Amino acid sequence: RKEVEQDPGPFNVPEGATVAFNCTYSNSASQSFFWYRQDCRKEPKLLMSVYSSGNEDGRFTAQLNRASQYISLLIRDSKLSDSATYLCVGVTGRRALTFGSGTRLQVQP
Amino acid sequence: DAGVIQSPRHEVTEMGQEVTLRCKPISGHDYLFWYRQTMMRGLELLIYFNNNVPIDDSGMPEDRFSAKMPNASFSTLKIQPSEPRDSAVYFCASSLSASGEQFFGPGTRLTVL
Repeated sequence: RKEVEQDPGPFNVPEGATVAFNCTYSNSASQSFFWYRQDCRKEPKLLMSVYSSGNEDGRFTAQLNRASQYISLLIRDSKLSDSATYLCVGVTGRRALTFGSGTRLQVQP
Repeated sequence: DAGVIQSPRHEVTEMGQEVTLRCKPISGHDYLFWYRQTMMRGLELLIYFNNNVPIDDSGMPEDRFSAKMPNASFSTLKIQPSEPRDSAVYFCASSLSASGEQFFGPGTRLTVL
């Protein structure tokens, strides 16, 4: 089983829609979590960190559920520019970041 | 700051040839990471360095792959001999800590024929 698993999608949503992605992790000792965004043929870039208490940044909300071992990303009022692949990331012990395979989002006009 | 710099951006080579990928991290970042990304396997961590010392190379696929960091501003990933299954995008990233935000370079798109 992969350490970090995501639904690859694609998620096809209309502009203005709300969309949510979940990501599960297998190691209960995982300490930190992030969401990265990767545009087509570009490098990944940090979107936001995920805190135990949940955090919000504009239209984006990230949450962590340690009991069920998953993190989520909610995007409200989707824009065409949100179309990208969203990578879930976890950190365990000495190991550096472990990336999920990504969930592809396509926002349509 | 120019960000993480990688060269070349594209490399096409024939099976059996040696390939060397280069990376210059962001100045002041003590950690440097090499990743490989393919459609099938996603983004895989190959190796990472702290203060020029390799810390975890468990992701290096086999002895054909080697990585060095001779100083704080330069690292190489070498594949010798290359094989078609090595075709992928290779990213270099740097950060201030092992578990903090990583800044990625633009990647090297490698095609082995």
